[in-house]
Amino acid sequence: AQSVTQPDIHITVSEGASLELRCNYSYGATPYLFWYVQSPGQGLQLLLKYFSGDTLVQGIKGFEAEFKRSQSSFNLRKPSVHWSDAAEYFCAVGGGADGLTFGKGTHLIIQP
Amino acid sequence: EPEVTQTPSHQVTQMGQEVILRCVPISNHLYFYWYRQILGQKVEFLVSFYNNEISEKSEIFDDQFSVERPDGSNFTLKIRSTKLEDSAMYFCASSLDRDHTYGYTFGSGTRLTVV
Repeated sequence: AQSVTQPDIHITVSEGASLELRCNYSYGATPYLFWYVQSPGQGLQLLLKYFSGDTLVQGIKGFEAEFKRSQSSFNLRKPSVHWSDAAEYFCAVGGGADGLTFGKGTHLIIQP
Repeated sequence: EPEVTQTPSHQVTQMGQEVILRCVPISNHLYFYWYRQILGQKVEFLVSFYNNEISEKSEIFDDQFSVERPDGSNFTLKIRSTKLEDSAMYFCASSLDRDHTYGYTFGSGTRLTVV
């Protein structure tokens, strides 16, 4: 069965500092991987996705993620965070009719 | 940019009542999904729908739940007899293709509160 682990429940980062959110997955085949962001009371916005090809994918809002098959990881990064990046971040794996399997999320707090 | 629209944004219902959550997927999308997020927890897959029938469903999607695409544009989730534990945010999603190559778009959700 597919699964996603986001080991960090909360992360606090100073504004302007770099960010890395961790995601590890378990999937039987080549995974389709996603990162979503959710602001309080809002829906899920797709930041980026990986299907195949270049293992470093660029997304919206200056985010990027790197797929590392050997580590079963798909970590999200941003070189310099802004206060507006404070939100809940979800990693997800899957595809097809089975839908997406989400991790439990990482709550990002930005310190001024 | 095309959106998935969900109505209502909030719904309060009494335990045992039936509720219908509505979604308008992106017009040329073919695959439709419902997910649930209990407060403070992760998003969970409920059901997928393609070609007017259920493709897959999770163990959460029991006989209390049903989905329908009644008129070619709306996609509904019905909960026949709501329980307190059905209180959650319900998200609809749609995609153009099975592998989501061209995107997998979520709506803003319906917050269901069962009292």
